[in-house]
Amino acid sequence: KAGVTQTPRYLIKTRGQQVTLSCSPISGHRSVSWYQQTPGQGLQFLFEYFSETQRNKGNFPGRFSGRQFSNSRSEMNVSTLELGDSALYLCASSWLGREGGETQYFGPGTRLLVL
Amino acid sequence: GENVEQHPSTLSVQEGDSAVIKCTYSDSASNYFPWYKQELGKRPQLIIDIRSNVGEKKDQRIAVTLNKTAKHFSLHITETQPEDSAVYFCAALEYGNKLVFGAGTILRVKS
Repeated sequence: KAGVTQTPRYLIKTRGQQVTLSCSPISGHRSVSWYQQTPGQGLQFLFEYFSETQRNKGNFPGRFSGRQFSNSRSEMNVSTLELGDSALYLCASSWLGREGGETQYFGPGTRLLVL
Repeated sequence: GENVEQHPSTLSVQEGDSAVIKCTYSDSASNYFPWYKQELGKRPQLIIDIRSNVGEKKDQRIAVTLNKTAKHFSLHITETQPEDSAVYFCAALEYGNKLVFGAGTILRVKS
């Protein structure tokens, strides 16, 4: 089975621009979560999608948004980029994301640099 | 919300020695605790996990212990090898599918 894939792998943007990142989960997985990884803040939860619905959201400003499509692929968008948005953005997929915990499998990440 | 603290931040051991990384969590409702290993430039990969109805779990050289009363859990790696060198993250499942991660431990295995 193919693993979680993310595109693009690297991005360079300037302040004020917007960016869209894509995540394709493992086949059959319906839950997709997004995390931001930075040296200073570590791994932080952004949001989770299941069956095209956002089920959970972390403490990030409204500039961060996402969506999920009927094939479970997910995108996240960051508008009005700030220097502090430079980070590795990771998505993770799991079967259903049920209470009690399921393994979340991570993609390789998209490294975003904001200049 | 959930808060996870992880110690130590860096750990150096000689090849063949054991390594122990400890985490504490704040939300007594958390019931799932995975450990991820992240090598430089690579994605986090699950190495072991434990659920709250179990006190200990082993997988070859890796073991995790959970003390629900004290709200802490630990990763034990025995007979460390150079390829164990990486950053290790503990996490707790807060609610839904949200993982709250510790700050990470850089493990260096010296040969």
